[in-house]
Amino acid sequence: GQNIDQPTEMTATEGAIVQINCTYQTSGFNGLFWYQQHAGEAPTFLSYNVLDGLEEKGRFSSFLSRSKGYSYLLLKELQMKDSASYLCAVSYSNYQLIWGAGTKLIIKP
Amino acid sequence: DSGVTQTPKHLITATGQRVTLRCSPRSGDLSVYWYQQSLDQGLQFLIHYYNGEERAKGNILERFSAQQFPDLHSELNLSSLELGDSALYFCASSVGASGGRTTDTQYFGPGTRLTVL
Repeated sequence: GQNIDQPTEMTATEGAIVQINCTYQTSGFNGLFWYQQHAGEAPTFLSYNVLDGLEEKGRFSSFLSRSKGYSYLLLKELQMKDSASYLCAVSYSNYQLIWGAGTKLIIKP
Repeated sequence: DSGVTQTPKHLITATGQRVTLRCSPRSGDLSVYWYQQSLDQGLQFLIHYYNGEERAKGNILERFSAQQFPDLHSELNLSSLELGDSALYFCASSVGASGGRTTDTQYFGPGTRLTVL
């Protein structure tokens, strides 16, 4: 099947760095999205990776390895407002994204 | 603000009833997606419409139906409501290049919170 695996929950300290991993099935892969979702709110787009390597956007970076079926989202200089769920979603060769269950990130002062 | 609008924001109804949720996509977007998110759960894909045509169906119950109109807005109809249907319902839209394939970024509306009592 087209399962997306990511950790259920992670805890990090304000000011630190955290890496959220996502693994997926490689067959039929077209691209991978990361979204941020605060509790009770809509998901908001963070990044899209289709080629191998690291894409940097301010404090957030996303990495992709197509051959390994692996991606991570790297959050630097963590702020309390980064407490949210982070969703990994993969585009395969059809008309729906396959979504991971999300990683709940808890930031402690 | 993503540019996707959903109405109503909140809806409280009773079991057995029928409701309609409405979504207006971003200007120019051809694809509309519907998702259900129960409390502390992940996003469950329901259905995808592209330019008025159904493109993909996910875990959508037979009691639920959707359509996309010529002006590209979409409606999700939920009937014979049960307590378990209480959830946040999100609509998302994307440009819909290449006939609606999912390599375009999806932008989400604020959601409709449905409470079934």
